[in-house]
Amino acid sequence: AQTVTQSQPEMSVQEAETVTLSCTYDTSESDYYLFWYKQPPSRQMILVIRQEAYKQQNATENRFSVNFQKAAKSFSLKISDSQLGDAAMYFCAVGNFGNEKLTFGTGTRLTIIP
Amino acid sequence: NAGVTQTPKFQVLKTGQSMTLQCAQDMNHNSMYWYRQDPGMGLRLIYYSASEGTTDKGEVPNGYNVSRLNKREFSLRLESAAPSQTSVYFCASTRGLAGVADTQYFGPGTRLTVL
Repeated sequence: AQTVTQSQPEMSVQEAETVTLSCTYDTSESDYYLFWYKQPPSRQMILVIRQEAYKQQNATENRFSVNFQKAAKSFSLKISDSQLGDAAMYFCAVGNFGNEKLTFGTGTRLTIIP
Repeated sequence: NAGVTQTPKFQVLKTGQSMTLQCAQDMNHNSMYWYRQDPGMGLRLIYYSASEGTTDKGEVPNGYNVSRLNKREFSLRLESAAPSQTSVYFCASTRGLAGVADTQYFGPGTRLTVL
């Protein structure tokens, strides 16, 4: 069984500053992939970034980047130049190749302070 | 391109009533999923369908049934609703290609309250 732990239920950051959301996971699979999803007040789940475990290079999408530490089973999300629109719940998830069921963490609520 | 759609958006049921949540995707995806989201619990998989004609249980299947009506549609049925099934329900889909780590695309969710 896979588990995903997000140890920060809530985080806040000043607008334009940088914030890092933490995520650790446990899986017995050798091939897997990781996601960060954003859920704004509208409830829609929106993909932020994804990372295949076999790739050593950390994924980056504009202001969003990850710090993937495979040996430590850690997958943190860094948001640079935080904007008011980044306010949301952020969920970390892990999935396996060949079996696309995702296991989600409990989420981190991010507040942006103007 | 509508993506993943769900109906209804909101529903209130009394204990013991039945209902079906509908989900449809127009992306020609093979795999579809039903999750529930409860406060402090993240999303938990109820059932999934890896391809048309197949369904499998997820983490929390008790009290639910599913039907993969065709490639586009995947419905979730509550036969006898209980207050513990009060939740937000999400449908998702993905291409479901072997050996491909695909992104799941989510519908807007259905907020269900069971009194």
